[in-house]
Amino acid sequence: GAVVSQHPSRVICKSGTSVKIECRSLDFQATTMFWYRQFPKQSLMLMATSNEGSKATYEQGVEKDKFLINHASLTLSTLTVTSAHPEDSSFYICSAPRPGSGNTIYFGEGSWLTVV
Amino acid sequence: GQQVMQIPQYQHVQEGEDFTTYCNSSTTLSNIQWYKQRPGGHPVFLIQLVKSGEVKKQKRLTFQFGEAKKNSSLHITATQTTDVGTYFCAGSGGGYQKVTFGTGTKLQVIP
Repeated sequence: GAVVSQHPSRVICKSGTSVKIECRSLDFQATTMFWYRQFPKQSLMLMATSNEGSKATYEQGVEKDKFLINHASLTLSTLTVTSAHPEDSSFYICSAPRPGSGNTIYFGEGSWLTVV
Repeated sequence: GQQVMQIPQYQHVQEGEDFTTYCNSSTTLSNIQWYKQRPGGHPVFLIQLVKSGEVKKQKRLTFQFGEAKKNSSLHITATQTTDVGTYFCAGSGGGYQKVTFGTGTKLQVIP
């Protein structure tokens, strides 16, 4: 079964609105989670590293104020796309290393965001 | 920053033929992982290589980590239609858990 769950799997929103995507580790505690973005036919680009109890670490070129990350607990990280625009339409996916498995990284199912 | 390139970008093979994708990093890696992503799906972890020169096999899949820990390869013997998907390598450099994904190789298997 799923080790990391992501919700929603698909969301359509209007330009200018905000959308929240949740990433949960189901049977382990994740002090760190990663958020990626994947455009069609492209690879996964790391957006930020979510750290429980502290601020997220953003990759170069990723707007902190636009992509708000909150690691609320050891099993939940959220990504909020604020003031969404059509160019934010993409596949967003989270991952978390699972302790005790050699830190094998497990991915959520991903979230398709369409901004209209 | 760290860059991880894969070749080829696309590969079409006849069912039963072999397939290989190559992964090259601009920097030395602590470890390398391989993932498979089916169309519309999320990446699924296949394997992790840690040691220089390491070779691991999973049924028809053979994974290799280069001696310099800057390159890796995935070889599939006698491809099947179920092998269709995009294969990504992902390497960790300075930070063990932070990974950089390769550009991916999309495999299409013709029945």
